[in-house]
Amino acid sequence: AQSVTQPDIHITVSEGASLELRCNYSYGATPYLFWYVQSPGQGLQLLLKYFSGDTLVQGIKGFEAEFKRSQSSFNLRKPSVHWSDAAEYFCAVGAMNYGGSQGNLIFGKGTKLSVKP
Amino acid sequence: DARVTQTPRHKVTEMGQEVTMRCQPILGHNTVFWYRQTMMQGLELLAYFRNRAPLDDSGMPKDRFSAEMPDATLATLKIQPSEPRDSAVYFCASGLGGGQYFGPGTRLTVT
Repeated sequence: AQSVTQPDIHITVSEGASLELRCNYSYGATPYLFWYVQSPGQGLQLLLKYFSGDTLVQGIKGFEAEFKRSQSSFNLRKPSVHWSDAAEYFCAVGAMNYGGSQGNLIFGKGTKLSVKP
Repeated sequence: DARVTQTPRHKVTEMGQEVTMRCQPILGHNTVFWYRQTMMQGLELLAYFRNRAPLDDSGMPKDRFSAEMPDATLATLKIQPSEPRDSAVYFCASGLGGGQYFGPGTRLTVT
């Protein structure tokens, strides 16, 4: 079955500390992987995506993620967290349909990040 | 800065009433998705369209939900009749091949 697991429901880090959010997936085809961020009352914003090539991908707001096929993981990292990073983060996996158009995504349940001053 | 827009942003209605939510996808995107987000279930895909044709609506309760794309600039999600369990945030997203881009959502409360 296709699924995305984010094992941490809630994480608290101090401002300036490093961050790693975990994501594991189960997917039958070549996975296309995404991280989204959702601030309270807002929609989801695309942070970064992995389709192919270099397994370390850079995104917006200083985030990066590393695809590890052997571990079926796509963990999100940031070297120094800012208070404005407090939000909920969603990992997602999907596929491309024939012709390269976007297919549907399977989302994890999300990890809520709190940042201590 | 192209964005997905959704209207209304908030909707409170009584059980049994019809609710229509609208979405304007990003111009040029050929795929449109409808999601529902609740605390209990998280993000659930309800339906999606490619080039205005429905591809998958298996996530929708067929007896009360319907989704359409009358034209390339408008997607609608309708609930008739609405029930309290439909209370959720409904998101529209559009994409072309590089990921899905979400609108701000419609927060629906059915009393």
